[in-house]
Amino acid sequence: GAVVSQHPSRVICKSGTSVKIECRSLDFQATTMFWYRQFPKQSLMLMATSNEGSKATYEQGVEKDKFLINHASLTLSTLTVTSAHPEDSSFYICSARKEVVFSGNTIYFGEGSWLTVV
Amino acid sequence: GENVEQHPSTLSVQEGDSAVIKCTYSDSASNYFPWYKQELGKRPQLIIDIRSNVGEKKDQRIAVTLNKTAKHFSLHITETQPEDSAVYFCAATLPPFGNEKLTFGTGTRLTIIP
Repeated sequence: GAVVSQHPSRVICKSGTSVKIECRSLDFQATTMFWYRQFPKQSLMLMATSNEGSKATYEQGVEKDKFLINHASLTLSTLTVTSAHPEDSSFYICSARKEVVFSGNTIYFGEGSWLTVV
Repeated sequence: GENVEQHPSTLSVQEGDSAVIKCTYSDSASNYFPWYKQELGKRPQLIIDIRSNVGEKKDQRIAVTLNKTAKHFSLHITETQPEDSAVYFCAATLPPFGNEKLTFGTGTRLTIIP
């Protein structure tokens, strides 16, 4: 299967600072990537759709100024949590869509990033 | 938008028995239904998927069935093993083709009892 790499896997930051999480598709080009947040023992909630070369599309209730998404290349999308607060502590996970001709698209997930804001 | 419900939230089965997890979706236009297995703190792993033009798909001990009329799909795991213990999520996507977003179910914590 395809490989999606996410970095860092764990990060601790102080309240009020910003932290950047990277999502890379290592062996395929991804025009579309997705960012999810998962609180403990809960499901994955889509935050935004990241489109290469254009602005991200945010889901309702997600603050675009707080969760900055940049999809500058076909293999890299970044999520920056700005002015982080303890309630932003969560498991953030990205996915990338691999387009397969005649077979449809398949979604592959990164390893996830544990963010702890202290 | 799409809404996906998943049942049960927890499931315990004896090793060797079968496990069934069910999901329903709200939008009849949904056309792709993957199932993911997630272990604590790790990425969801695609274990099987089905597209709307197929009613059933099987891969060794795992099978998925889709009933488009009733808008529900199910995951079947036979001959369960301890390593099957994990949280399982169903998901559904809506077209248009080329911009699918996954809407996840709430998850099922499956425990296999040795």
